[in-house]
Amino acid sequence: NAGVMQNPRHLVRRRGQEARLRCSPMKGHSHVYWYRQLPEEGLKFMVYLQKENIIDESGMPKERFSAEFPKEGPSILRIQQVVRGDSAAYFCASSPSARDTGELFFGEGSRLTVL
Amino acid sequence: GENVEQHPSTLSVQEGDSAVIKCTYSDSASNYFPWYKQELGKRPQLIIDIRSNVGEKKDQRIAVTLNKTAKHFSLHITETQPEDSAVYFCAATGTASKLTFGTGTRLQVTL
Repeated sequence: NAGVMQNPRHLVRRRGQEARLRCSPMKGHSHVYWYRQLPEEGLKFMVYLQKENIIDESGMPKERFSAEFPKEGPSILRIQQVVRGDSAAYFCASSPSARDTGELFFGEGSRLTVL
Repeated sequence: GENVEQHPSTLSVQEGDSAVIKCTYSDSASNYFPWYKQELGKRPQLIIDIRSNVGEKKDQRIAVTLNKTAKHFSLHITETQPEDSAVYFCAATGTASKLTFGTGTRLQVTL
């Protein structure tokens, strides 16, 4: 049973370009969460999605950031017109159900570097 | 929303000693409190968790205590080993079903 799969593991972008980060949850999991971790800092919640629905995006910047979890395929976190401050590790996590609040299973993260 | 505070930010102990990390939370509706361990460059991994109907839970050298009245919970690691060196995060979740993390504790176990 494969874990949470994220790609790319490392991504380098120049200022103004777009970054797309992908996350495939664990098999049987229908809830996806994105967290951002700046160097030497904690994990900051960004967005919580279920298939075709954004449940909570209270942690996502209002501009340039968007997330989706389509009926088919991985969840995607999209950052438009990246700036140096977007450089961070972006972790995706999944859980089987939100009703039974339990463990979040994290992927290995996507490390974005903005030049 | 939930706010989780974690102390200390860094902790250095000698091998074999105990380590204690403390967290407080703000949302009285929170009912699930996990602890994650993150090694350098790796993903966070769950090491132990506790739910609001339990005051204490132990798993070998690791234990967690919860005081719902005071809204704080703690991680205890006994007989520390060099491989325990990592960053530890507490977290809490309530009605929103999203985990709010503390700022992390960098634990260094020295020989």
